[in-house]
Amino acid sequence: DGGITQSPKYLFRKEGQNVTLSCEQNLNHDAMYWYRQDPGQGLRLIYYSQIVNDFQKGDIAEGYSVSREKKESFPLTVTSAQKNPTAFYLCASSVFAGGAVHNEQFFGPGTRLTVL
Amino acid sequence: AQSVTQLDSQVPVFEEAPVELRCNYSSSVSVYLFWYVQYPNQGLQLLLKYLSGSTLVESINGFEAEFNKSQTSFHLRKPSVHISDTAEYFCAVSEAGRRALTFGSGTRLQVQP
Repeated sequence: DGGITQSPKYLFRKEGQNVTLSCEQNLNHDAMYWYRQDPGQGLRLIYYSQIVNDFQKGDIAEGYSVSREKKESFPLTVTSAQKNPTAFYLCASSVFAGGAVHNEQFFGPGTRLTVL
Repeated sequence: AQSVTQLDSQVPVFEEAPVELRCNYSSSVSVYLFWYVQYPNQGLQLLLKYLSGSTLVESINGFEAEFNKSQTSFHLRKPSVHISDTAEYFCAVSEAGRRALTFGSGTRLQVQP
């Protein structure tokens, strides 16, 4: 079965700690994305990557970092610099990022991060 | 810059009643439009999309949406809702030349028996 997996489903972090959220896809998609979801605010783009070893900041990249060493993997690190990290994080992928026609995105099940 | 507005944050409706979830967008170039559905504590699933051609698009579970370029709208409708339609619905826009989707703030559809 092709799809996107995110782990863990729930994550708890102490203030001042960095945590890494995993995102893996076996859809052979070129592009991958990270979104943050807060109640009443919809989804906001954190980072995206069109090809391996390349990524771009989205609308709310401060306090986050990513890497794209493999086509199928796009981990997100929430650093201690992120002042309000408690949220639901969604990873997505799409076939081709260069043209808007193919920007249909497929989503993983999400990771709920809570800062204690 | 593009933006997406979903005016209704919550829409309560009785089972078997019709429903319309509104979506308006702003963009100066060609756009592609999507509706996604999210069930509690899950990721988003694509419900339907408009890329080109007929302005009326349909999903397999009875939802439809109509692209209205003059009103810059892409409202989602269903003639008769079911309890299982209870979820949050997101409208999204993909603008030519932009590499990511812009999402609206979502509308929570609450179907009551």
